[in-house]
Amino acid sequence: DAKTTQPPSMDCAEGRAANLPCNHSTISGNEYVYWYRQIHSQGPQYIIHGLKNNETNEMASLIITEDRKSSTLILPHATLRDTAVYYCIVRVARTSYDKVIFGPGTSLSVIP
Amino acid sequence: NAGVTQTPKFQVLKTGQSMTLQCAQDMNHEYMSWYRQDPGMGLRLIHYSVGAGITDQGEVPNGYNVSRSTTEDFPLRLLSAAPSQTSVYFCASSRVAGGIETQYFGPGTRLLVL
Repeated sequence: DAKTTQPPSMDCAEGRAANLPCNHSTISGNEYVYWYRQIHSQGPQYIIHGLKNNETNEMASLIITEDRKSSTLILPHATLRDTAVYYCIVRVARTSYDKVIFGPGTSLSVIP
Repeated sequence: NAGVTQTPKFQVLKTGQSMTLQCAQDMNHEYMSWYRQDPGMGLRLIHYSVGAGITDQGEVPNGYNVSRSTTEDFPLRLLSAAPSQTSVYFCASSRVAGGIETQYFGPGTRLLVL
């Protein structure tokens, strides 16, 4: 699985869009981009995933660049409850389990 | 569905004591895993299982044993607790469908070893 690079921390004003970047310059054609988040003291929570098209669900949007070397997770109207560590993970499409390695992620602070 | 459940929520041990952290899932997922998270650190994989009777080591397996006798349960055993094992432990289960794997995490067990 390709490595990812994320900024260690970011701030965002409440009500504004939070844009969390992730660099995955060595991504290969069959690797998906996944995002998880971990709110303080809780277990991580799946947010969204994508291959090459932009994706949107009830939690967030995922924008993947055309060359797929980077992506951005967008929380359209950040609230205080979105304060969390956000993990970007790149994984090969697979038909069976393989261990997942979480990096340090980005600590997002939503400020009132 | 209860999802992934973990017991106990908190535990204090003395050095050298043994204990088992319980993890159960009711989603019929084949895959389960254990992570630890130290203060200010990311998640590190301890052990994982791809099905009943099959387990394998992750990044930091030393000091921990696991077994998987049923699809639902995946207990983590500390045979002789050490202060270095003070951490928060998360269990996860996952499914793979159409090449996509989604992990579901439990609420965690906070362990203090004195």
